[in-house]
Amino acid sequence: DAKTTQPTSMDCAEGRAANLPCNHSTISGNEYVYWYRQIHSQGPQYIIHGLKNNETNEMASLIITEDRKSSTLILPHATLRDTAVYYCIVRVYNQGGKLIFGQGTELSVKP
Amino acid sequence: DVKVTQSSRYLVKRTGEKVFLECVQDMDHENMFWYRQDPGLGLRLIYFSYDVKMKEKGDIPEGYSVSREKKERFSLILESASTNQTSMYLCASREAGVGQYTQPQHFGDGTRLSIL
Repeated sequence: DAKTTQPTSMDCAEGRAANLPCNHSTISGNEYVYWYRQIHSQGPQYIIHGLKNNETNEMASLIITEDRKSSTLILPHATLRDTAVYYCIVRVYNQGGKLIFGQGTELSVKP
Repeated sequence: DVKVTQSSRYLVKRTGEKVFLECVQDMDHENMFWYRQDPGLGLRLIYFSYDVKMKEKGDIPEGYSVSREKKERFSLILESASTNQTSMYLCASREAGVGQYTQPQHFGDGTRLSIL
C-alpha cells in the first residue's frame, strides 16, 4: 500500500491561501489521492480527490505533480473554520477500498 | 449533499452489555463501512458491506458483528462489550460507481462510545 508523508503541523493567516503538501513516492499508476479533513470531535469530511490531473471544487484545489510522487491541497482563502487535521490518503484496493489515515497535518488558521 | 447519520454522538455502556450502533445514509449508496478511530492508531476498518445482506470482515472484526437488512442502514453490534472497545466509531458510505472503488467515502459524525 502506498504510504503518505505530511508535515505534522502548519499555520496559516486568515484570508491567505493554505498550501498543504503530501509526499506519496510509492504511489502506483492507477491509485487515486484523496484528501479529507477532521475537525475536533467530528467525523472526517471529504474534500477532493484526483488521479493525475489537477482538480478543483468549491472547497479546494488539488495539484498533483507530473510524476505523481507528491501533491498539494490548496485552500484558496483560509478561514478560522478551516482549522482541522488534514489527511492525504492513497486508496488501497483490497477490503472494499478502505481508507488508511496517517497522522495528517494539523492546520491552524490564525486571525 | 450526502448525509450519513449515526444514531448517537455519545454512548456509555457497561462491560458485558450488547451494544447496537446504528448508521443511516440518504444517498442510496451501495457500499457502507464501519471504522474505529483511536489516538495513535488512526482509522481501522471493522466491517464493510458491498450491498444489502452482504458483509465482509475488515482488519479488526473480533468482538463485533454487523447487519445490513436495508440498503440505507448498516448496524454495528458489540456482542459483549469490553473496556478495550472504548473508542470513536465512524460509519461511512460510498456510491459503488463505475471505477473500482474510486468514489469517495462520506462519513457520519461518529459515536464516542465508553465502556465502563
